[in-house]
Order: sequence, then structure tokens, then C-alpha cells
Amino acid sequence: AQTVTQSQPEMSVQEAETVTLSCTYDTSENNYYLFWYKQPPSRQMILVIRQEAYKQQNATENRFSVNFQKAAKSFSLKISDSQLGDTAMYFCAFMKGPNTGNQFYFGTGTSLTVIP
Amino acid sequence: DTGVSQNPRHKITKRGQNVTFRCDPISEHNRLYWYRQTLGQGPEFLTYFQNEAQLEKSRLLSDRFSAERPKGSFSTLEIQRTEQGDSAMYLCASSSRSGGGFEQYFGPGTRLTVT
Repeated sequence: AQTVTQSQPEMSVQEAETVTLSCTYDTSENNYYLFWYKQPPSRQMILVIRQEAYKQQNATENRFSVNFQKAAKSFSLKISDSQLGDTAMYFCAFMKGPNTGNQFYFGTGTSLTVIP
Repeated sequence: DTGVSQNPRHKITKRGQNVTFRCDPISEHNRLYWYRQTLGQGPEFLTYFQNEAQLEKSRLLSDRFSAERPKGSFSTLEIQRTEQGDSAMYLCASSSRSGGGFEQYFGPGTRLTVT
């Protein structure tokens, strides 16, 4: 079974500063995908960034980047120049390879608060 | 493209009653997923459809739960004889293999409260 662990239930960051959210996972698969989703208060989940395990290069989307360490099974999210709109729950998600149904395994989330 | 929609957004029901939720995925997406999310937890997988075929079911999906996707478009999730432990947010997501992205797009959820 796949497990995803987010060890930081809550974090806060000053506006314009940088914050890193941690995620580790456990799998015996070699081909898989990792995602970070954002869930603002009372709003739906939206995709922040994704990483294919076969790619060594870390994914980047504007102010969001990941540090993917495959051997360590670690997938952290770095948010640069934090904005008030980044306040949300952040979920790390794991998906097995493309021919296995694509169900996601989610961590328990990190609640991020950006302080003005 | 209006995204994934779910109805109703909120449902309050008495224990023992049946409830049905509807999900309309993004129109060109052939894969549809149901998840359950309780307070303080991440979403947990319930079931998955590819077109009209239900290909996976979690052991969380007891025999009181049933899901359908009759024409490969919208889906319904029915809970029979609801219990207080069924209170949760029920999320629907859809995806497409085109482009190889595999990311899932989530709806706003249906919040179920069983009294």
C-alpha cells in the first residue's frame, strides 16, 4: 500500500517570505506521479504542481517549486514570495503509474497561514 | 469548460435515510473519481470510473454505498441507510489521459451531515 506523510499540520509565513512544506511517501513502485494540491477555506482543491518520478529535474510553476528526492522518497513544496492568497490547506498526493487506475493517495495536509 | 460540478453542495439528513449526490465532470474527461474527506484529513479514495465502467472500489465503500455512471458522463453516489459516521465531504474529480497529465480536477464537494 502507498502512504503519504505530511508531518507539519500547521505552518505560518510572513508575506513575501519563503516557506517549505514537507511530504514523504512510501511505495515499492518505480513509476509514479506526485502532486501538490491547494484547498483554500471553503473552496475546492486546485492543482499547484506535479512531478513525474522518471524526471530528475524538479518541477517549477511560477512561485512554486518542488524538491524531489526519489531515493529518500521526499517531495517538498517551496513557496517563494508568499502572498495572502496562498493561505490554504496543502495536500501532497501520490499516484501510481498510468495503467493502474490513477487513484490518488493523499497526506493529511498542512494548513498554511500567510501573515500580513 | 465550467469545471467539475457537484450537487447538492450541502445535505442534511436523518440517520437511516437514503441520499444521492451528483457529479458532472469536465466534458471531455473519461475518468471520474469519488473521494471522501473528513475534518482534518486528506481525501480518501472511494471509487473510480473509466467511461461507464466502474473499475476500482475501495474497501471503504461498504454495501450501503453505490455509484453509477450510466452513460459515461455524470455520476451519482448513493448512500443507503445513512449513519452518523457517513458525515463527511464527498468529493468528485475527473481526469483525462490526453496530454499524459493524469492530474485530477476536483469539484467543490457535497458536505453531508447525518443527524
